[in-house]
Amino acid sequence: KAGVTQTPRYLIKTRGQQVTLSCSPISGHRSVSWYQQTPGQGLQFLFEYFSETQRNKGNFPGRFSGRQFSNSRSEMNVSTLELGDSALYLCASSPDPGTYEQYFGPGTRLTVT
Amino acid sequence: AQSVTQPDIHITVSEGASLELRCNYSYGATPYLFWYVQSPGQGLQLLLKYFSGDTLVQGIKGFEAEFKRSQSSFNLRKPSVHWSDAAEYFCAVDRDNDMRFGAGTRLTVKP
Repeated sequence: KAGVTQTPRYLIKTRGQQVTLSCSPISGHRSVSWYQQTPGQGLQFLFEYFSETQRNKGNFPGRFSGRQFSNSRSEMNVSTLELGDSALYLCASSPDPGTYEQYFGPGTRLTVT
Repeated sequence: AQSVTQPDIHITVSEGASLELRCNYSYGATPYLFWYVQSPGQGLQLLLKYFSGDTLVQGIKGFEAEFKRSQSSFNLRKPSVHWSDAAEYFCAVDRDNDMRFGAGTRLTVKP
């Protein structure tokens, strides 16, 4: 069974631009969560989606948004990029919410210049 | 405030030696507890988890962790470290669908 895939793996953007990251969960998994990892703040939860609905949201500004499609694939979008948005963005999938069996993708490394 | 603390930022052990990575949490009630490992350039892999019951939990790759309620701790152990265990280890807690990670402990393994 293929693991969680994230595209692109690396991305360089300029301050003020917007970016969209994609995550394909493990086949059969219906819950997708997103995390931001930075050296200063560590791993922080962004949001969780299940059945195309956002179930939970971390403490991030409205510039960070996401969505989930009917095939469980998810995208996250960051608008008006700031230098501090440079991070590794990790996606994790699980069969259902609350199963606590999260499988992480390799992440997308976003650099904002 | 709810928090997860990994007191050791970096630990170096010799190959074959035993390992213990510390994790303490501060929550009103016992949360669900996890240990993840992250190799360079990779995502996180779940090593083990504790929800309830037996306080000694066995995980993958020969790791185990012990939950101690009195100390609010969930320390990760391995009796004999292999060079391939060099990675960053994260303790995580989840209470009411609020997953929080510790800052991580980087493990270096000396030959």
